[in-house]
Amino acid sequence: NAGVMQNPRHLVRRRGQEARLRCSPMKGHSHVYWYRQLPEEGLKFMVYLQKENIIDESGMPKERFSAEFPKEGPSILRIQQVVRGDSAAYFCASSLGTGEYEQYFGPGTRLTVT
Amino acid sequence: QKEVEQNSGPLSVPEGAIASLNCTYSDRGSQSFFWYRQYSGKSPELIMFIYSNGDKEDGRFTAQLNKASQYVSLLIRDSQPSDSATYLCAVNRRDDKIIFGKGTRLHILP
Repeated sequence: NAGVMQNPRHLVRRRGQEARLRCSPMKGHSHVYWYRQLPEEGLKFMVYLQKENIIDESGMPKERFSAEFPKEGPSILRIQQVVRGDSAAYFCASSLGTGEYEQYFGPGTRLTVT
Repeated sequence: QKEVEQNSGPLSVPEGAIASLNCTYSDRGSQSFFWYRQYSGKSPELIMFIYSNGDKEDGRFTAQLNKASQYVSLLIRDSQPSDSATYLCAVNRRDDKIIFGKGTRLHILP
């Protein structure tokens, strides 16, 4: 299976805990994007990364959220001290490059904060 | 003006008819345009992309692009109940960021 992989698929956290979401891009892809989607809402861009570099984090909240894409291993979106408002579906997408290159999405991680 | 605008719907189309989904965008420098299909509770799935003015056909799907009017559309011929989903239009801006519309809900009536 050469598709984008995300885990876990479902994650339940209590308020104040940390959430770690993982994304392995499609084989051959080196560009990773994270999006958040609330129920009945559109996709909201959060961050764009290449290996070991954050290219664009303009959609990321300034506090509690961070992302990385190390040289080895998956990309990780980390949410510290989660609050109920963080409950959403978080999608990762990958592409060969920017601009005209198509983005392919993983199955998403559904985060529920109780 | 929103960067990428779509009618939220729902758009109801009888089975077998043509479904027409529309999208307008604000950045004249945009070069690449994408249509994604998203079933409820699932992730977006890329179904079409178009880079040049005109039409691009793939099976029952046709994407149409008019850069002068800043307009892109998706036609689905011989609509099937399995086409019922939300369709997201995505446009890359001149700074290479891809912006998604909020999507149009399509309902195919059996």
